Amino acid sequence: GDSVTQMEGPVTLSEEAFLTINCTYTATGYPSLFWYVQYPGEGLQLLLKATKADDKGSNKGFEATYRKETTSFHLEKGSVQVSDSAVYFCAPAGGTSYGKLTFGQGTILTVHP
Amino acid sequence: NAGVTQTPKFQVLKTGQSMTLQCAQDMNHNSMYWYRQDPGMGLRLIYYSASEGTTDKGEVPNGYNVSRLNKREFSLRLESAAPSQTSVYFCASQHSQGRELFFGEGSRLTVL
Repeated sequence: GDSVTQMEGPVTLSEEAFLTINCTYTATGYPSLFWYVQYPGEGLQLLLKATKADDKGSNKGFEATYRKETTSFHLEKGSVQVSDSAVYFCAPAGGTSYGKLTFGQGTILTVHP
Repeated sequence: NAGVTQTPKFQVLKTGQSMTLQCAQDMNHNSMYWYRQDPGMGLRLIYYSASEGTTDKGEVPNGYNVSRLNKREFSLRLESAAPSQTSVYFCASQHSQGRELFFGEGSRLTVL
């Protein structure tokens, strides 16, 4: 089945620092790719998505580009805020999973003032 | 605009007791899912229902049963709860396979 490997956390940054969370996946065909965010005590929310190669998903200052050649979908933000502290999950929805999402283990991000 | 609603939000059980987690969505989605979230383990799929009338096992189905009651509702039942089932449970729905999931707020279950 599909699989995903996320950057190990936790990640601790100062406010206004640059953020990268790496994500690589294994899936057949051309999966859709998703980043979800989970704030403390809440469910998961869709952060951004990309549905085909070279697409860039973006939302709330976060970006990720669908790289078919490296099977990656790294999450980036130029200047993080304390309010970005959360757990981030990468998830492909690929052919061997029949369109079901496969979640990584999550990366905990803590941003200090 | 309710989205995905789960009940109860918190529950404490004793080993051997049974309970049902309820989930309902109002987005007319075809697929519904139950996940559990444990520290360091990410989200693991318990059961899913690709469409009304069908259910399938996910990654960790042992100790659970599900019912897709109608298009809106998908329940998860623990027949004889065990401490290993202490977890946070999330229900999610999806318009069609390959599209994004919409999650409920979670149900925190503790089995003593």
